[in-house]
Amino acid sequence: DARVTQTPRHKVTEMGQEVTMRCQPILGHNTVFWYRQTMMQGLELLAYFRNRAPLDDSGMPKDRFSAEMPDATLATLKIQPSEPRDSAVYFCASGPEAHYGYTFGSGTRLTVV
Amino acid sequence: AQSVTQLDSQVPVFEEAPVELRCNYSSSVSVYLFWYVQYPNQGLQLLLKYLSGSTLVKGINGFEAEFNKSQTSFHLRKPSVHISDTAEYFCAVSGQKGYSTLTFGKGTMLLVSP
Repeated sequence: DARVTQTPRHKVTEMGQEVTMRCQPILGHNTVFWYRQTMMQGLELLAYFRNRAPLDDSGMPKDRFSAEMPDATLATLKIQPSEPRDSAVYFCASGPEAHYGYTFGSGTRLTVV
Repeated sequence: AQSVTQLDSQVPVFEEAPVELRCNYSSSVSVYLFWYVQYPNQGLQLLLKYLSGSTLVKGINGFEAEFNKSQTSFHLRKPSVHISDTAEYFCAVSGQKGYSTLTFGKGTMLLVSP
């Protein structure tokens, strides 16, 4: 089965450090999402790309977060500088169109101490 | 904009009993509806989806859901649960037009005990 691959699976970092999370979407999927999952807020949409162009990143704190798709096989989410409140599981998902549903990666569990 | 309400944060049930997980949505446009399941330390997996047509949709692992437009609901059901169904279940909605994202509910933890 095709799958969305996220790296790293776990990351522990100190406050103030830069964190980069990577996602390899399924080949042929033109829509890529980044979601953040916390106990308090549930699943929040951070960013959304279609054909590598950012369509919506209104859910992302602009001062410290950035999301890019340098090519069709790679999406990145960067936090600089990281803060303890960024501790969460970050999911990448990809799909062809909304009605197909989207395929989620296994997530990156980030802990900022 | 769309929103999703999952009324129960936890649903405890005994093995082989039936279960219903409730989901209500709000939207000003026509929507697609989804149920996802998340097992511990894993990503979300699509269980089933409603796009159009028959209001009763069947998914994987014996789950089914019924779309009720008048009540804006999309409840998930299973006639007989197994221990392995213990997981968190998320209801989600997306608009049908344009570039649509998925909006998720807060999730319902299904706890199946022997």
